[in-house]
Amino acid sequence: AQTVTQSQPEMSVQEAETVTLSCTYDTSESDYYLFWYKQPPSRQMILVIRQEAYKQQNATENRFSVNFQKAAKSFSLKISDSQLGDAAMYFCAYRSVYNNNDMRFGAGTRLTVKP
Amino acid sequence: DGGITQSPKYLFRKEGQNVTLSCEQNLNHDAMYWYRQDPGQGLRLIYYSQIVNDFQKGDIAEGYSVSREKKESFPLTVTSAQKNPTAFYLCASSILGAGSQPQHFGDGTRLSIL
Repeated sequence: AQTVTQSQPEMSVQEAETVTLSCTYDTSESDYYLFWYKQPPSRQMILVIRQEAYKQQNATENRFSVNFQKAAKSFSLKISDSQLGDAAMYFCAYRSVYNNNDMRFGAGTRLTVKP
Repeated sequence: DGGITQSPKYLFRKEGQNVTLSCEQNLNHDAMYWYRQDPGQGLRLIYYSQIVNDFQKGDIAEGYSVSREKKESFPLTVTSAQKNPTAFYLCASSILGAGSQPQHFGDGTRLSIL
């Protein structure tokens, strides 16, 4: 089974600066989807960004971008110009192309934003 | 606005009691999911359903049961057989064969033991 590893339980960043959250995954599949979700204190999971493995171009959504390294099985999230509202738990997730119901989540990284 | 509604937000269970968590969606999604979230762990799949009257076990189904009598509703029952039920429970939904489409989540229910 696929596994997702987030090696940073906690990270902190100064407001307006840039932070990168790490995610690695283990799979033998060649095609899959990757996601970053944000879970603020309100606890609702919100999609931040997604990446299809067959696309070489890294996904970008406003201040959020990813560094997708397929050979290294790495999918890091970069948050630029960090804002206080970015403080949350961030989860990396993997979804198999062959079983859309099989979504694997990492343990999460708690991001603190310092004013 | 379309979304997923979970109720209640907080739930307490007595010893030997079954409790039911509600999940309703108006997104017209065929697939629905239940996850359990524990501190320091990612979300773990309990059950999922792709169609009315059909559902499949996830990784940690023991001690839980579900039903899918309507497309919009996917309630989760935590039975007395679940010895460690204290956790945060999240319901999600997606289109069938979602691919790169994300799962949409509710606000969750926190279950505690009395």
